[in-house]
Amino acid sequence: GQQVMQIPQYQHVQEGEDFTTYCNSSTTLSNIQWYKQRPGGHPVFLIQLVKSGEVKKQKRLTFQFGEAKKNSSLHITATQTTDVGTYFCAGLAGGKLIFGQGTELSVKP
Amino acid sequence: DGGITQSPKYLFRKEGQNVTLSCEQNLNHDAMYWYRQDPGQGLRLIYYSQIVNDFQKGDIAEGYSVSREKKESFPLTVTSAQKNPTAFYLCASSQDLIGDTDTQYFGPGTRLTVL
Repeated sequence: GQQVMQIPQYQHVQEGEDFTTYCNSSTTLSNIQWYKQRPGGHPVFLIQLVKSGEVKKQKRLTFQFGEAKKNSSLHITATQTTDVGTYFCAGLAGGKLIFGQGTELSVKP
Repeated sequence: DGGITQSPKYLFRKEGQNVTLSCEQNLNHDAMYWYRQDPGQGLRLIYYSQIVNDFQKGDIAEGYSVSREKKESFPLTVTSAQKNPTAFYLCASSQDLIGDTDTQYFGPGTRLTVL
């Protein structure tokens, strides 16, 4: 079946270091969405990418959608303790939104 | 305040009992969804509904049932047939069934523990 693989599963960084999480799909995606879930909370929508090769920025966060629309990445520059949480990608394929397993980010002050 | 609510936040049940989780939205969204989240895993779709009185099975519907009698409400029943019901349950809604420009809004979740 359709799958969206996300790596790494966990990432521990020192505050100020950069962080990247990657998603790869077995099929071409119509779009890809990114969500953040704080510890004990619920997923909150961050952004959606639709076009091949699209790059979007939100302050220290940079989101990319691959040229083949099969992969995506989220990069955080100079992490802060407020960035702690689990980041999920979710790819739209065949009318279904398929979530990756998430990357849990912890930031040591 | 517009939003999506789930109650209760924590729920404990004995094995063999059915339990119903509430989900209400006042966003006037047509589509609603139920997901299950287990530790270290992504969200898995249980059921979804595009319109009132209609719903479809997701990837892991066995042992669950839903109803959509009102646009605002999409309750989920975890039946005794669900072999491993302890999990974090998330309800979501979107303006329309997932399309090219739609995003999902999640409720705060219900953490179900079956003893």
